[in-house]
Amino acid sequence: GQQLNQSPQSMFIQEGEDVSMNCTSSSIFNTWLWYKQEPGEGPVLLIALYKAGELTSNGRLTAQFGITRKDSFLNISASIPSDVGIYFCAGQQIYGGATNKLIFGTGTLLAVQP
Amino acid sequence: GAGVSQTPSNKVTEKGKYVELRCDPISGHTALYWYRQSLGQGPEFLIYFQGTGAADDSGLPNDRFFAVRPEGSVSTLKIQRTERGDSAVYLCASSQGLAGETQYFGPGTRLLVL
Repeated sequence: GQQLNQSPQSMFIQEGEDVSMNCTSSSIFNTWLWYKQEPGEGPVLLIALYKAGELTSNGRLTAQFGITRKDSFLNISASIPSDVGIYFCAGQQIYGGATNKLIFGTGTLLAVQP
Repeated sequence: GAGVSQTPSNKVTEKGKYVELRCDPISGHTALYWYRQSLGQGPEFLIYFQGTGAADDSGLPNDRFFAVRPEGSVSTLKIQRTERGDSAVYLCASSQGLAGETQYFGPGTRLLVL
């Protein structure tokens, strides 16, 4: 099945560092989402973006919807140990009779050393 | 309130056997989704229900996979003649059914086919 290109694949950082990850697609989406998944759990929504160029924050997280509608990035500032997990981008079509299914990226594994 | 629940949490079966995976969505959610997550990958869409009907089953890999939602609430994903390649985490998500509504994921069922 289709998966979006997400980079980097993994990151190993020190507590307090900032983190940036991005996601690209060959297809246009009208919604971009960022999820976090911890071991043994399902993905949990962090941020949703609905308009090209939109920049949205949720605490220490900031995400942007690319102008071309084919990319998005997520920044985490001042990382803490509980930020550990796998981060997934997801694209979604929510108009034109689309079924709202999510197309996920390949994931970025984040490890934070105290 | 209760989130999405999935049973069993783990399932080990032998090649060729039949399995059923159950999803209990959040009460009142009309939309239900099944995704499959292979090791080291993002979730991949399988099927989407709006109410009792399968509105989009384009992600089902072959005719060994089938899902039902007879009363518009609980859903069962059925896999016939399991193969080793079916081993994955099967995730269920539900939403209120309106365009762009957040999909809430369950913890998944880890299926291992020996």
